[in-house]
Amino acid sequence: ETGVTQTPRHLVMGMTNKKSLKCEQHLGHNAMYWYKQSAKKPLELMFVYNFKEQTENNSVPSRFSPECPNSSHLFLHLHTLQPEDSALYLCASSHTGQGNYNEQFFGPGTRLTVL
Amino acid sequence: DAKTTQPPSMDCAEGRAANLPCNHSTISGNEYVYWYRQIHSQGPQYIIHGLKNNETNEMASLIITEDRKSSTLILPHATLRDTAVYYCIVIGNTGKLIFGQGTTLQVKP
Repeated sequence: ETGVTQTPRHLVMGMTNKKSLKCEQHLGHNAMYWYKQSAKKPLELMFVYNFKEQTENNSVPSRFSPECPNSSHLFLHLHTLQPEDSALYLCASSHTGQGNYNEQFFGPGTRLTVL
Repeated sequence: DAKTTQPPSMDCAEGRAANLPCNHSTISGNEYVYWYRQIHSQGPQYIIHGLKNNETNEMASLIITEDRKSSTLILPHATLRDTAVYYCIVIGNTGKLIFGQGTTLQVKP
């Protein structure tokens, strides 16, 4: 247990569906992240939130819409996805500032399959 | 942020030390070396990080060469549960974790 939880763990959706991924951290961190890991590829950073403000959008298509209502919760809203969006979606959190900024704690991920 | 080079795969016998190398010849003075690992189908896990001194924690030791152009992660007594992909990441002012392909470590009985 890393203190970062993600739900659901597995999700199958059609291309016309709308679904949301949820991430919650119980570590008192103020930065949260979404990563995508496709088969046989390295993790790719998608979004960064710092104190609830989005500080990074790594050229992610608009069919992925993040939301960070507070420092403990992060959502990824999905709509009209493509089969190539099938991947493991990982959430992480960390402190910000000097020293431990890059010690990120990852959740177990949501395995998404788009049919 | 500096790029890193790691061997794609390594084997290690259970109970022996696993030494995972990483080259980062373009590292600059304010960039840290971080190590993460990812066990199959799980999220990555932070292991250790350092700037120029050697570091040790309950999981591993990190040896950084004096010129800082390479480093070695040491798992002193590898177990089957240490089988994972190990990522060496150099982080500077951007603060971003940029994951490469890493080294797949297979610990064998």
